[in-house]
Parts: sequence; C-alpha cells; structure tokens
Amino acid sequence: DADVTQTPRNRITKTGKRIMLECSQTKGHDRMYWYRQDPGLGLRLIYYSFDVKDINKGEISDGYSVSRQAQAKFSLSLESAIPNQTALYFCATSDSSIMNTEAFFGQGTRLTVV
Amino acid sequence: AQSVTQLDSQVPVFEEAPVELRCNYSSSVSVYLFWYVQYPNQGLQLLLKYLSGSTLVKGINGFEAEFNKSQTSFHLRKPSVHISDTAEYFCAVSHYNTDKLIFGTGTRLQVFP
Repeated sequence: DADVTQTPRNRITKTGKRIMLECSQTKGHDRMYWYRQDPGLGLRLIYYSFDVKDINKGEISDGYSVSRQAQAKFSLSLESAIPNQTALYFCATSDSSIMNTEAFFGQGTRLTVV
Repeated sequence: AQSVTQLDSQVPVFEEAPVELRCNYSSSVSVYLFWYVQYPNQGLQLLLKYLSGSTLVKGINGFEAEFNKSQTSFHLRKPSVHISDTAEYFCAVSHYNTDKLIFGTGTRLQVFP
C-alpha cells in the first residue's frame, strides 16, 4: 500500500460544484501539503499544515479550503469549482523531527472542471 | 522570498549521452536544495538534496548535482542516460526555517534510442 494515498485519482466535475479531494498517510508525519501542477508552471503550493491545529495558506489559496481532520488526513475542497482549477493535484507529507527531510508525494488527483 | 528557475523546459538527448539540467535559485538567506523526478503518471520522488557540507551531491540512479553558491546554481548531471530516465525533473528550494518547498517549472528529459 502507498504511504500517501489520494482519492479520487481522477475526477470530472461541473462548474459551480463543490468537490473534496482527500489525502491520507501512513508515514506518521506531522506536516502535510497540497500542491497543484499545471503544464509549464511546475508545482505551486495551495495550503500546508504543520500539525492538526496549524493551517497555513500557500501561494495560490484563493478558491480552495482545507481541513486537517487528524494527523493522518488532510483534505482539499473546492467550494465552487471553476474551469481554471483543472489541474493535477498532489498531496505531500514531511517529518518535522528531521530538518528538511524529503517530502513524500501521493500519486496525484487529476481534476477536470467542465 | 525564494524562487527557482529552470531554464530549459525540454531537453532531448540520445541514450548513453551525458546530460545537464540547469537550476538557478534566488534567496536572501541560506537555503536547502532538492531535485525531484516525476515519471509518467506518477507522483514525485526525491533524487537528491543539498543541505550542507560537500557541494557535490550524489543521488539515486547515477544522478549528481553541484551546489555553486557564487552562481546560485544547483545543476543536475548524469554522465550516461538511459531510456528509463525519460521523465520530468523538478528543482526545489526551501528555507531552513520553513520547510516549504518552492518548485521550479520543471524540465522534461526525453531520452531517444
């Protein structure tokens, strides 16, 4: 089983709909992140959480919200999806007890907003 | 604020040839530097990282990178590439106190037989 699991892997939704992307991890890491990947733009940070009670905005948080339900779960919501939110979304985790250790990524969720 | 520039969006190369993927960063403070690889339809995985110490860092799959502080660069190299190295490569930077990774726009390495 993957250490960082994202669900769903693929999703098509209509403009204006609310959608939630979920991420769970079995690595026991305290830090979790949501990124979106767009061709030619690399990965951009949406939100990050350093523990259950700590949520922070990243570079491009407008139109998104997050919830850290437990140490192992971090979900990303699009309250009212729009076509320019069509992208590949990645969840990642890292361990704060090891300074600047690597981030571990999920397999990604491909979201299409029509 | 930190930023990362990957000058080449695509690098085509023949199998067994050497390759260099370029990465430059800007930051007013000390940073840590990373290279990640993304194979088709997969997430990202770490190739190598520079935190401190020797400026030449060796990673997985025969890749290495050299940190050059004066040129603010962290170029990735491999002396002889394989077809299986075809992937997208991302350079990333983080400030020692934030643990947020800032990514470059990526370089797609295409290895031809």
